[in-house]
Amino acid sequence: DAKTTQPNSMESNEEEPVHLPCNHSTISGTDYIHWYRQLPSQGPEYVIHGLTSNVNNRMASLAIAEDRKSSTLILHRATLRDAAVYYCILVPSGTYKYIFGTGTRLKVLA
Amino acid sequence: NAGVTQTPKFQVLKTGQSMTLQCAQDMNHEYMSWYRQDPGMGLRLIHYSVGAGITDQGEVPNGYNVSRSTTEDFPLRLLSAAPSQTSVYFCASRALAGGHTGELFFGEGSRLTVL
Repeated sequence: DAKTTQPNSMESNEEEPVHLPCNHSTISGTDYIHWYRQLPSQGPEYVIHGLTSNVNNRMASLAIAEDRKSSTLILHRATLRDAAVYYCILVPSGTYKYIFGTGTRLKVLA
Repeated sequence: NAGVTQTPKFQVLKTGQSMTLQCAQDMNHEYMSWYRQDPGMGLRLIHYSVGAGITDQGEVPNGYNVSRSTTEDFPLRLLSAAPSQTSVYFCASRALAGGHTGELFFGEGSRLTVL
């Protein structure tokens, strides 16, 4: 299964943009890139996903490198409520094994 | 709108005891899965199912049994609990329609302590 690599932790100031990187150099051509986040004491929640093109939704934007070996989750204006662990995962074609890894713990400073 | 419901929320067991963690979803999702999360760690996939009567192993299946007799329910059984199974357990579900773009919905978790 393809793996993802994320920094263990990042910090951001409130109301500033945050760029959370993810490396997935062994990604297959049909693997989707998904992002989830886990707020304290809660189950993970879906943030965004993409395949090749950049994606936007009400929560965030996803920028995918042209060679698909990396991606970046962009929170346009971080709030204190965005403090969470963010997981970048690959959803392989042909199976439904969502392998989460350890994620990036985002700390938002007031 | 219940979503994914896990019971119990907290449980303390003694080594060697058996128990079942329940997971139910009311969204008619074909796919259901179980994860465990140890302190400071990410989620590890235990077992998953893509429909009634179909289950498969994840990353860490040893010590856990599952079955899927209905679309709504996906119980996780510990036949002989060990302290290494102390963890927070999450159940998740999703619709299979839409292929690999589907969103996983998670329950609130079940915290299990094995003494």
